[in-house]
This record gives sequence, C-alpha cells and structure tokens, in this order.
Amino acid sequence: AQSVTQLGSHVSVSEGALVLLRCNYSSSVPPYLFWYVQYPNQGLQLLLKYTSAATLVKGINGFEAEFKKSETSFHLTKPSAHMSDAAEYFCAVSETPGGYNKLIFGAGTRLAVHP
Amino acid sequence: EAGVTQSPTHLIKTRGQQATLRCSPISGHTSVYWYQQALGLGLQFLLWYDEGEERNRGNFPPRFSGRQFPNYSSELNVNALELEDSALYLCASSLAERLGFNTEAFFGQGTRLTVV
Repeated sequence: AQSVTQLGSHVSVSEGALVLLRCNYSSSVPPYLFWYVQYPNQGLQLLLKYTSAATLVKGINGFEAEFKKSETSFHLTKPSAHMSDAAEYFCAVSETPGGYNKLIFGAGTRLAVHP
Repeated sequence: EAGVTQSPTHLIKTRGQQATLRCSPISGHTSVYWYQQALGLGLQFLLWYDEGEERNRGNFPPRFSGRQFPNYSSELNVNALELEDSALYLCASSLAERLGFNTEAFFGQGTRLTVV
C-alpha cells in the first residue's frame, strides 16, 4: 500500500528565505510523485510531478523537488519565498503515471510567509 | 478557456437529507474525479468516471454515488447525510487517463458541504 507523510503541518518563513517542505512516501512499486498547491478558497493546482525521468524536477513559480529513492523523499524547495507563496501544499503519490484516480495525498503543509 | 466549474459553491443540508453536487469538466476532458477534503482527514479519492462509466471508487460507503452524463459533466450524490460528511468536495478533470502521464488533472474550486 502507498502512503505519504508530510512533516510539519505548518511552516513559517520570512520573505526571501528558503522554503523547504518535506514529503516522504512509501510505495511497493516505483512511485509517481506530485506536489499540489491550494490557495484559500480555491482548488488544487499542480506545481510539479516526478515521472521517473530526471530526479530533480522543476515546477512552476520557482519551485523544484528532488526525488531521492534511498531516502524515499520528495521534498519541495524554493530558494526565496514570496508573500504570494502563502498557501497549503500537498504531496501525493500514485503507482501509475496518469493515475489521478489513485492519488494518495499527504495531510498537507500550510506555508506562512511573513515580511 | 473555462476551467473546471463546480456548483453550488456552498451547500447546507440537514442530517438525513440528500445532497447533489455538480461538476463541468474542461472542454475535451473525458475523465472526472471526485475528492473529499474533510477537516483533519486530508484529501481522499471518492470516484472516477470516464466515458460515462464509473471506473474506480475510493473507500466510501454506497450512499456516495454519482454519474457522468454524455457531455462528460458529472454529478455526485450523497444520501442520508451525516454530520461527518461536512467537507470540501473537489472535482477534477483530465484527458482520458489511458493516455498516460502526459495528462494533467485540473481541479475546480470545490463545493463546501455543511451538514447540520
């Protein structure tokens, strides 16, 4: 069975500081991994996805994530936080490349950015 | 191009009633997914429809049901509402999932269901 653990339900950073949101997964098959962002009162927006090509995945809005099989991790980073990055972030895993019906989501991490 | 649209945005129902939520996918998308985002439980997969057929369902009781119409829009019905059904229900659509990972699922803004 697959599972996702997001460490830290709330993360607070200063504007301009590094953003690091942690995600660890468990999967019995090679996983496909996703990061989504949810702004207040909105649906989810795909930030990036890992599909077994390059281990360093670049996404939108300056975010990137690195797949580390040995650590079963897929942490999300951004070098410099912006106020507009304040949102909730979800890591998700699937056992199939287009498996949106089989997505297993983490509990989410709420990112706060302060001046 | 219009995104995924859901209606209504808010719905208040009494315990025991039925709720109907609607979703219009992006034009050209044939797959529709429903997710429940309940407080403290995160996002959980509910149902997947493609080409008018239910293809998969998550671990939810049968009182959660739905359908997909010939125009690919979808309806989620929740019967015999319970207080714990209060949640944000998100709909997403994508090109046919059989096309593989180059598809992307786009989410609507959700319907917030409150059961009192």
